[in-house]
Amino acid sequence: DVKVTQSSRYLVKRTGEKVFLECVQDMDHENMFWYRQDPGLGLRLIYFSYDVKMKEKGDIPEGYSVSREKKERFSLILESASTNQTSMYLCASREPGGNPGGYTEAFFGQGTRLTVV
Amino acid sequence: GIQVEQSPPDLILQEGANSTLRCNFSDSVNNLQWFHQNPWGQLINLFYIPSGTKQNGRLSATTVATERYSLLYISSSQTTDSGVYFCAVEPSYTFNKFYFGSGTKLNVKP
Repeated sequence: DVKVTQSSRYLVKRTGEKVFLECVQDMDHENMFWYRQDPGLGLRLIYFSYDVKMKEKGDIPEGYSVSREKKERFSLILESASTNQTSMYLCASREPGGNPGGYTEAFFGQGTRLTVV
Repeated sequence: GIQVEQSPPDLILQEGANSTLRCNFSDSVNNLQWFHQNPWGQLINLFYIPSGTKQNGRLSATTVATERYSLLYISSSQTTDSGVYFCAVEPSYTFNKFYFGSGTKLNVKP
């Protein structure tokens, strides 16, 4: 079974702190993603990565950066945490597919509930 | 961008009842998945179903891509089925960008 593991289930940080959210997958997937989930706004894509050191902005990248130094690990960085970044963060991964366009099934981690005070 | 609408938004069932959840999308897609979000927030994969019909135990799903909708059937519901069900689509004109519906919140009462 695919396993996507996020380093923390719950996290409380202070405004202005630099925050790292870590995600590790064990299936050698090339594609990895970070989403945030907010009541009334649903799940929104922050960043994704399609290979080591490669990244693409999603729909809401402002205030975030990412790092992918190893294939299995994708980190989300909040350079200076703010209260409006209090949210549920979900990491996902998937392999490239053999079909045209490479569309395959995505698998999610257990989520990290971040509170910025 | 693509619109993904799920209905109903809320559903209350008695244990043992059957239900159908619907996902409509506004553009052609190359990927569609159904998830169940458990009370702890994790998204559990139910079906990867860009087209056709699949069954897994008491759950089944059908996607009619040409008519831009997907259905999730839950039969003989159990209290453990409670939670939020999400449909996520990946439009044909993009890659690595999933768009989620707002979910159906299911409450199965004993």
